[in-house]
Amino acid sequence: NAGVTQTPKFRVLKTGQSMTLLCAQDMNHEYMYWYRQDPGMGLRLIHYSVGEGTTAKGEVPDGYNVSRLKKQNFLLGLESAAPSQTSVYFCASSYSQRLLGQPQHFGDGTRLSIL
Amino acid sequence: QQQVKQSPQSLIVQKGGISIINCAYENTAFDYFPWYQQFPGKGPALLIAIRPDVSEKKEGRFTISFNKSAKQFSLHIMDSQPGDSATYFCAAAYSGAGSYQLTFGKGTKLSVIP
Repeated sequence: NAGVTQTPKFRVLKTGQSMTLLCAQDMNHEYMYWYRQDPGMGLRLIHYSVGEGTTAKGEVPDGYNVSRLKKQNFLLGLESAAPSQTSVYFCASSYSQRLLGQPQHFGDGTRLSIL
Repeated sequence: QQQVKQSPQSLIVQKGGISIINCAYENTAFDYFPWYQQFPGKGPALLIAIRPDVSEKKEGRFTISFNKSAKQFSLHIMDSQPGDSATYFCAAAYSGAGSYQLTFGKGTKLSVIP
């Protein structure tokens, strides 16, 4: 069981370039999430999805877009990368959040540097 | 507005000692309070969680204490070990209709020294 797999693990971009971060889960979870983690800031929710074909904004959505075309995949896109988007990005998935005690399962992160 | 405040930012404890991390929340609608543990280079993983209808939950060396009236909860790690060295995040969530988000504290970096 792979759990939550994120690709790539590391990436360096130049300002203005675009890229897509990939997240795949094999646990048949309905809900998926993208977070960013910055030193001293904890985890902040960027976007999330409560099912295939649905997405919603989190706390810090500006500059990012997402898509959930298949239940097992959640893509995070940066259309025009900015240095402020240098961060570690985590994907997570879970069963219905309405069921208390359902943990979010995290991938190991993508470390993104924008020069 | 930070809805979950976590302290301290960093903590150094001797092996065998007790580690205590505190969190305070503002939204009284929160009804689920998990703690996540994160090792370097890895994603966070659920450690232990509590609902506000109980004041304490214990799992092995890890205990959550919950004070609903003060809107505070804390993680106690008994007999702390070097392997417990990690970053710990408290979080809070509301399970009501339309809410799917965990709100995280900023994290506490725990170092357990031999």
